[in-house]
Amino acid sequence: DTAVSQTPKYLVTQMGNDKSIKCEQNLGHDTMYWYKQDSKKFLKIMFSYNNKELIINETVPNRFSPKSPDKAHLNLHINSLELGDSAVYFCASSQEGGNGYTFGSGTRLTVV
Amino acid sequence: QQPVQSPQAVILREGEDAVINCSSSKALYSVHWYRQKHGEAPVFLMILLKGGEQKGHDKISASFNEKKQQSSLYLTASQLSYSGTYFCGAEDSGGGADGLTFGKGTHLIIQP
Repeated sequence: DTAVSQTPKYLVTQMGNDKSIKCEQNLGHDTMYWYKQDSKKFLKIMFSYNNKELIINETVPNRFSPKSPDKAHLNLHINSLELGDSAVYFCASSQEGGNGYTFGSGTRLTVV
Repeated sequence: QQPVQSPQAVILREGEDAVINCSSSKALYSVHWYRQKHGEAPVFLMILLKGGEQKGHDKISASFNEKKQQSSLYLTASQLSYSGTYFCGAEDSGGGADGLTFGKGTHLIIQP
């Protein structure tokens, strides 16, 4: 059973398109996150949700919009994709007092 | 603010020891350590919560000096499976939902 699952694993799309990435966790964690990992492997937090409530919204363009229908799901919608959005996007979840973050397997987004 | 990791990269022979350092300019509530293999998600290794705390499992251990705002990861008698990029993640407040700020990573190569 996959603890944190992301779909799709790969996404190739043209500039200007809109795309979504889905994330689901079956760990019962209260907090979910989106991280972006660039070509230099730098992991940068984008959003944090706790029990469906937005906690952190880092300096991310407003073309990126997270949605959390329930605490087990955190989706990421991206409008008007740009070349610079190409990266690997990781979903993660955690529980206060728990054992670290559990990351999904990542979505490699390539904008052409 | 991003924690600073050193060294950026290290190459070892199997059986040798390595130390990876992580320092922050901000007071830290906790430090996490993760390992990421190429093309995979980061995997949680351990979390250190208290100043002076040390933890370890197998031949990987870590220390956290809260006063110096530093943490170190120790890999002893390294194995081929230890290869990967190691990230420290800094948490500057409890509660967990604020997310981790990761260092730029230390690339570890273990050669036979």
